[in-house]
Amino acid sequence: GAVVSQHPSRVICKSGTSVKIECRSLDFQATTMFWYRQFPKQSLMLMATSNEGSKATYEQGVEKDKFLINHASLTLSTLTVTSAHPEDSSFYICSASFEGAGEARNEQFFGPGTRLTVL
Amino acid sequence: QKEVEQNSGPLSVPEGAIASLNCTYSDRGSQSFFWYRQYSGKSPELIMFIYSNGDKEDGRFTAQLNKASQYVSLLIRDSQPSDSATYLCAVNINFGNEKLTFGTGTRLTIIP
Repeated sequence: GAVVSQHPSRVICKSGTSVKIECRSLDFQATTMFWYRQFPKQSLMLMATSNEGSKATYEQGVEKDKFLINHASLTLSTLTVTSAHPEDSSFYICSASFEGAGEARNEQFFGPGTRLTVL
Repeated sequence: QKEVEQNSGPLSVPEGAIASLNCTYSDRGSQSFFWYRQYSGKSPELIMFIYSNGDKEDGRFTAQLNKASQYVSLLIRDSQPSDSATYLCAVNINFGNEKLTFGTGTRLTIIP
């Protein structure tokens, strides 16, 4: 149980285009989803937290107009990187959680990640 | 001061030995502590979590927490080559759906 999928797993795009990444909880309803970005040899940096039906909460330094997050249902959140540039190339990982999740009670279940390369 | 600090390594340990991974955190109000393993190109997977001071054992893994010293560690006994990965320490302040703050990770290599 507690499976999270991401699509696509890998995307290559030209500079200036927009890219949408989907995060789905397959066998549970996720009241909260998190979006992370990880550059090579660095740790996961939280970009934003989204709760179903409400606006996402962005971390300091993350441009909300560039990284659009939609959490329209309890099983789907999307991250859209608008007007992508080479410096946006990174590994984007989502996680999903719900109150009392897992043995840890607040466990985040991670998706497999999306590798974005902007040319 | 970083919120969660780890020695980036790399840490090399002979197969069969004990690997010791350390993590310190700055927020004294932190409530729950997690250790994740991340293989190259993959997303993190949860290894252990701990809430209370002391030791918590699960198979070959032992997590140790000392809230007074703001220190959490992970011991891996009988290290195997498959344990070679980056280990991420993560902390959150409150129970519930709160965000995790990750350390930079320690890269562990088990030498056959």
